[in-house]
Amino acid sequence: QQQVKQSPQSLIVQKGGISIINCAYENTAFDYFPWYQQFPGKGPALLIAIRPDVSEKKEGRFTISFNKSAKQFSLHIMDSQPGDSATYFCAASMNYGGSQGNLIFGKGTKLSVKP
Amino acid sequence: SAVISQKPSRDICQRGTSLTIQCQVDSQVTMMFWYRQQPGQSLTLIATANQGSEATYESGFVIDKFPISRPNLTFSTLTVSNMSPEDSSIYLCSVAVAFADTQYFGPGTRLTVL
Repeated sequence: QQQVKQSPQSLIVQKGGISIINCAYENTAFDYFPWYQQFPGKGPALLIAIRPDVSEKKEGRFTISFNKSAKQFSLHIMDSQPGDSATYFCAASMNYGGSQGNLIFGKGTKLSVKP
Repeated sequence: SAVISQKPSRDICQRGTSLTIQCQVDSQVTMMFWYRQQPGQSLTLIATANQGSEATYESGFVIDKFPISRPNLTFSTLTVSNMSPEDSSIYLCSVAVAFADTQYFGPGTRLTVL
């Protein structure tokens, strides 16, 4: 119930291509879905996040698509660049009486963008 | 967001010793958390650091092994006690500015136990 399943484990994309990372969850009480980007030796940085009242959110080259009925959400990176090479984590949490609860993380996707 | 610093950034320790990691935030935050990230793995929540009271630990983590303090709204410490090589990980502090806010992570402390 608390698990967030992320795929693929690793991804190689050519520069300029589209990177797609998928996540699925079971607990329908989750109401907040952030994506984090982590470079080697650094802490995770919030990239983009979505709540279930919208099906898509776009910020620059990064888009989250959300399918509530399928309990799936995905990250699309358009025009992928070598500087996007990092590990990406999806996560989910639920609201407890006005307080956002603990983040449950996926296992991560290591993205490599080839020049 | 908030600017988070952690000390030390990395350390190499001997088995059986303890290490205290500090987390400092540049503004008052509502919630502070401690995570562990084992090499090449995802993030696992250790505990929520509560200001002025005992931390709330996740299943599999106990206070004797990971004592936590949070004396005010901008500072917390995590101690890794009686260390073994299995404790070699990155330890991350994260904060939420408001109750409904997302979490922001510090740079992490890379711990190696020999």
